[in-house]
Amino acid sequence: EVQLVESGGGLVQPGGSLRLSCAASGFTFSSYSMNWVRQAPGKGLEWVSYISSSSSTIYYADSVKGRFTISRDNAKNSLYLQMNSLRDEDTAVYYCARERSYGPSDYFDCWGQGTLVTVSS
Amino acid sequence: DIQMTQSPSSLSASVGDRVTITCRASQTITNYLNWYQQKPGKAPKVLIYAASSLQSGVPSRFSGSGSGTDFTLTISSLLPEDFATYYCQQSYSTPYTFGQGTKLEIK
Repeated sequence: EVQLVESGGGLVQPGGSLRLSCAASGFTFSSYSMNWVRQAPGKGLEWVSYISSSSSTIYYADSVKGRFTISRDNAKNSLYLQMNSLRDEDTAVYYCARERSYGPSDYFDCWGQGTLVTVSS
Repeated sequence: DIQMTQSPSSLSASVGDRVTITCRASQTITNYLNWYQQKPGKAPKVLIYAASSLQSGVPSRFSGSGSGTDFTLTISSLLPEDFATYYCQQSYSTPYTFGQGTKLEIK
């Protein structure tokens, strides 16, 4: 069974740091690009970051660029998001999502259950 | 950035109704458009990818159409389990962007 399990969320003060992890199982992790998507309480979905299968290509949303770092360890079947200089507006459930390609088109075909990050003093 | 606009933002319907949700992109995205369903407290689930391809395991009452800038998600006959929030998402270019969501409620 394909599974993604996030961990590492919690309460952090503004300006603090947190590292999220996403453990993958049930598929060949090293063959897939991965993403982080977040959802603020009661709000819609916001894409955060993308990393290609080999880590050669990385993208960030402008809202997190320079503060967040995405990485992966294919030997450990794990995806990470290092979040620094956290702000109140970073409060959200963070999902990791597997990216599937259909020709040139891509979509998120598998999502984790999410981990809640709360930034508050 | 490509802006995605869904309409309506909310919709009340009854079991058995046919429902259509629209999504408009601020520039052409050819067919790089996906639809997701999200239920409260759960992760999103893909329904339709590449504008009109049905994800494996998704019931055939869900269908998608459109290309360029205008897209639709249609549910042919609502079942109780279809009451949820629906999001469109473009994968034409990063930053990937989502519509604001359409909350489908029971009338």
